[in-house]
Amino acid sequence: DTGVSQNPRHKITKRGQNVTFRCDPISEHNRLYWYRQTLGQGPEFLTYFQNEAQLEKSRLLSDRFSAERPKGSFSTLEIQRTEQGDSAMYLCASSFDQRQRDTQYFGPGTRLTVL
Amino acid sequence: AQSVTQLGSHVSVSEGALVLLRCNYSSSVPPYLFWYVQYPNQGLQLLLKYTSAATLVKGINGFEAEFKKSETSFHLTKPSAHMSDAAEYFCAVSVNRGSTLGRLYFGRGTQLTVWP
Repeated sequence: DTGVSQNPRHKITKRGQNVTFRCDPISEHNRLYWYRQTLGQGPEFLTYFQNEAQLEKSRLLSDRFSAERPKGSFSTLEIQRTEQGDSAMYLCASSFDQRQRDTQYFGPGTRLTVL
Repeated sequence: AQSVTQLGSHVSVSEGALVLLRCNYSSSVPPYLFWYVQYPNQGLQLLLKYTSAATLVKGINGFEAEFKKSETSFHLTKPSAHMSDAAEYFCAVSVNRGSTLGRLYFGRGTQLTVWP
């Protein structure tokens, strides 16, 4: 069990560019979550996968955001036409559904800065 | 709807003193409650969780929390603070709603400072 990993750890981009983040969950965890955390705030839910199916999306996830988990393992989060307001820490978490009392384990996050 | 309120965005204690971080929740159904800790530039680490078993929950690093339904609270305590406890602490709630189980609702966090 190597924990949840995220890449890159830091990303600096210019406004209008596209960025993609990757999350590798703990092996055999069937649930994967994305959250966004801005300065001084708690994490806010973005979206959630059960295996490869995306089951819930927050209204925070605008049309510029897309997430995939093609084989039910790793996941990617893409932001198109980035805006300065997208600057935040993007956190990934994974869990294993066991009697519906799963616990989420978080990765170190990807810090995005949009100039 | 679910929500969490953490009273006090900053708490300062002396090393060896009692730590008390407050969390109140709102939930229309029985909640699951969590405390996470975040060190600078790192992800969140689970301290402890309440999942409808014992109301007094013990976690890592000497922390514990008590679920009080009548007060809708889940305050985090530690009898004696250590310098290494300095970090940001988040209270979170989730509910059992079938396929959407597990989505966490976080409070805004409490920054704990420990003075020598």
